[in-house]
Amino acid sequence: GAGVSQSPRYKVAKRGQDVALRCDPISGHVSLFWYQQALGQGPEFLTYFQNEAQLDKSGLPSDRFFAERPEGSVSTLKIQRTQQEDSAVYLCASSSQGAGAKNIQYFGAGTRLSVL
Amino acid sequence: AQSVTQPDIHITVSEGASLELRCNYSYGATPYLFWYVQSPGQGLQLLLKYFSGDTLVQGIKGFEAEFKRSQSSFNLRKPSVHWSDAAEYFCAVVPSQTGANNLFFGTGTRLTVIP
Repeated sequence: GAGVSQSPRYKVAKRGQDVALRCDPISGHVSLFWYQQALGQGPEFLTYFQNEAQLDKSGLPSDRFFAERPEGSVSTLKIQRTQQEDSAVYLCASSSQGAGAKNIQYFGAGTRLSVL
Repeated sequence: AQSVTQPDIHITVSEGASLELRCNYSYGATPYLFWYVQSPGQGLQLLLKYFSGDTLVQGIKGFEAEFKRSQSSFNLRKPSVHWSDAAEYFCAVVPSQTGANNLFFGTGTRLTVIP
C-alpha cells in the first residue's frame, strides 16, 4: 500500500492476556518507530528499528513490551501480560532514511488497545 | 528538563477566523521542529517542518509557522480557518545534537471550528 498500515485497528484484551500489534511500513522504508499515545496525551517514543536492527528501545516501559522486525520490513509490537495502564493507541511510523534527525516520519492510523 | 509545551489544551474559533497555536520548547540547542495534525481515527499527518534558514515556513493546507529563537517558540498559524481544520494538533521536536531520531511531542491542542 501507499501508506503505513497497522492492524488490528482496535484490540480489546483482558488483563493478563498477551497481544501482538502489527505494522506494515511504507515499502522500502529503512527506519521504523513505535509510539504509545495515552488518552489526551501526545505520542511517546517506544522503540526504533533501522532495517532489522533494533537500535533504540529506551522508551519501552517494561520488560513486558517486546518489538521485532526480523526481515527489515513488517514489525510486531508484543505486550505480554497486559495491564490496564497499557491501554493506549499504539502508533507506528516509518521513514525512508536511516539514522538522521531530519528524516520525515510517516504515521499509520494506529491500533487502539483497551485492556479490561 | 527538556520538554515541548503546548499551553492551550483546547481552542475554539469561528470558521473564517484566524488561528494561532502556540508551541514552546526547552532544549539546549535549537531542535528540528515539526507540526503534525491528527484527525479522529487517522494517523498523524505532517503539516510543516523547520530545520534551518528562513524562520517562516509554509506547509500544507494553508498553514504556516514561525520559528523565534529568542522565545524558543514555533507557533502555527492560519489566516482563515475552515471547518475541516477541526482536529488535534501536535508540535514535535527532534533534538538536533543528541543523535536521537525519534520525535518528542507536546500534549496537543484540540481545535474546534464553529460555523
